Amino acid sequence: QKEVEQNSGPLSVPEGAIASLNCTYSDRGSQSFFWYRQYSGKSPELIMFIYSNGDKEDGRFTAQLNKASQYVSLLIRDSQPSDSATYLCAVAPFVNTNAGKSTFGDGTTLTVKP
Amino acid sequence: DTAVSQTPKYLVTQMGNDKSIKCEQNLGHDTMYWYKQDSKKFLKIMFSYNNKELIINETVPNRFSPKSPDKAHLNLHINSLELGDSAVYFCASSQNSYGYTFGSGTRLTVV
Repeated sequence: QKEVEQNSGPLSVPEGAIASLNCTYSDRGSQSFFWYRQYSGKSPELIMFIYSNGDKEDGRFTAQLNKASQYVSLLIRDSQPSDSATYLCAVAPFVNTNAGKSTFGDGTTLTVKP
Repeated sequence: DTAVSQTPKYLVTQMGNDKSIKCEQNLGHDTMYWYKQDSKKFLKIMFSYNNKELIINETVPNRFSPKSPDKAHLNLHINSLELGDSAVYFCASSQNSYGYTFGSGTRLTVV
């Protein structure tokens, strides 16, 4: 079993729709959860992080965390063609410390069609 | 000003050669990392340094040797390059657990 699993893509949504990206993780002790966006040929860019159960909203992005189900998701509202990218879920064992590493999923490629 | 800068951006070299990649961050972060991204986009950690001290050393061939002269710099030296070393290598830095800032990556091609 992979440590971090993301729903297999590619995912295609029409412009203006909600894109839903899902991620599950195997280490129940994980404490920090991240979503990165990576455009083709570019480096990953952090777009959201979440530590507590529930929802965290930032503009058109909402991260949702359910530690009991070991599940984290990213919703993108009013999807735009510029959101087309690979989205990477990452999980880390600690909060407020530099110890530990982030473990990444394989990524889900999102295409938003005009 | 670039937050995390890596050089070179591209590296094409022959099997058996030795090469180095350099990374510098101006964010004041305490921790720096090397990740390898394969052709399927999977990011795998190689090394991590916290304030010049090696804290993570994953199962990586001995041919890979990191060095951190100070907390703003992290270099990666690779000996006897092999075809399988071809990948994109990312340097990253972080402070506490607020996520990573990545460099622009070094695309290494071994021919």
